[in-house]
Amino acid sequence: DADVTQTPRNRITKTGKRIMLECSQTKGHDRMYWYRQDPGLGLRLIYYSFDVKDINKGEISDGYSVSRQAQAKFSLSLESAIPNQTALYFCATSDPDPGPGANVLTFGAGSRLTVL
Amino acid sequence: AQSVAQPEDQVNVAEGNPLTVKCTYSVSGNPYLFWYVQYPNRGLQFLLKYITGDNLVKGSYGFEAEFNKSQTSFHLKKPSALVSDSALYFCAVRDRGSTLGRLYFGRGTQLTVWP
Repeated sequence: DADVTQTPRNRITKTGKRIMLECSQTKGHDRMYWYRQDPGLGLRLIYYSFDVKDINKGEISDGYSVSRQAQAKFSLSLESAIPNQTALYFCATSDPDPGPGANVLTFGAGSRLTVL
Repeated sequence: AQSVAQPEDQVNVAEGNPLTVKCTYSVSGNPYLFWYVQYPNRGLQFLLKYITGDNLVKGSYGFEAEFNKSQTSFHLKKPSALVSDSALYFCAVRDRGSTLGRLYFGRGTQLTVWP
């Protein structure tokens, strides 16, 4: 099994629908992240969580919400999807500071979302 | 503000030739620097990082990168490219003094190695 598992891998939905992307990890990492990838724009951080009780907005959090249900689970929700949220979404995990694993991100395989 | 620039959207090189993928960065303090690679239909994979010490960092699959503080660069290099190195490469930076601990990624450089 993969260290970081994202579901669904692909989803097509309509404008206005609520969508949840789920992420679970077996790395035992405290830190979890949601990124969005768009062609030519690289990766942009949506939300990140340093532990179950700590949730932080990233650079593009508008239109998104998250829930850290447990150390191993971090879900991303689009309450009312719109077409410009069509993108490839990645969940990632890392060890906390300090330590050799800090900022070495382990990524899931991605969830491709299409909003019509 | 922290940022990363990858000036080339695309790099093409023949198999067996050396390759360089460029990265420059901007941070207010001292940087942590990273390279990640993304193969088609896969998530990003960690290649190497510079934290402190020797400016030449060696990573996975024969890749290396050199930290140059005066030029604020962290170019990725490999002496002899393989077709299997064809992928999307991302440079990332973090301000060492930042308590937020988050990375800023460049836009990516598509490397194509032809036989």
